[in-house]
Amino acid sequence: EVKLVESGGGLVQPGRSLKLSCAASGFRFNDYWMGWARQAPGKGLEWIGEINQDSSTINYTPSLKDKFTISRDNAQNTLYLQMSKLGSEDTAIYYCARDYGYPYNWFAYWGQGTLVTVSS
Amino acid sequence: DIQMTQSPSFLSASVGDRVTINCKASQNINKYLNWYQQKLGEAPKLLIYNTNSLQTGIPSRFSGSGSGTDYTLTISSLQPEDVATYFCLQHSSGPNTFGPGTRLALK
Repeated sequence: EVKLVESGGGLVQPGRSLKLSCAASGFRFNDYWMGWARQAPGKGLEWIGEINQDSSTINYTPSLKDKFTISRDNAQNTLYLQMSKLGSEDTAIYYCARDYGYPYNWFAYWGQGTLVTVSS
Repeated sequence: DIQMTQSPSFLSASVGDRVTINCKASQNINKYLNWYQQKLGEAPKLLIYNTNSLQTGIPSRFSGSGSGTDYTLTISSLQPEDVATYFCLQHSSGPNTFGPGTRLALK
């Protein structure tokens, strides 16, 4: 069973940084693209970005490219999202996701999400 | 970026009803359209991919159709467990983008 568990969320002050983690299990982690999406309170989902199996290709939605960094550790079966210069607009539930599998690299499996609240 | 809109934003229907939810893209997305279901407090779940392919384990009352810029999710006979928010995702070009969602409730 595919299992994705996000962690690292919480209350953070504006302007600070935060790093989220996603622990993956139930599949060969290094065989799949992985990514992140978020959902602000009362809003729709926003695709943040994705990373390929060996981290050689990382795609971001353009508006977030300069403040978010996606990485992965295949030895630890873990995906990361480094967020910097956080503002109130970044308050959201952040979801980790796995792609469907070759040739499809869109999100097929999702974690439960971790809440990030940006407030002073 | 490709913009996605959904209609209606809220839908109330009775058990057994046929329900349709629409998704419209700002440009042709060549059937690269998925549908997801999200129940309150749960992770999103993939229902349909590439317009009309049913994900493994999803009941056959769910189906998808469409082409070009216009796509539809149909629930042939609404069940109580279908109460959820449904959203579409285009993965045709540029950053993937989601529709804003349709909240489905029981009448």
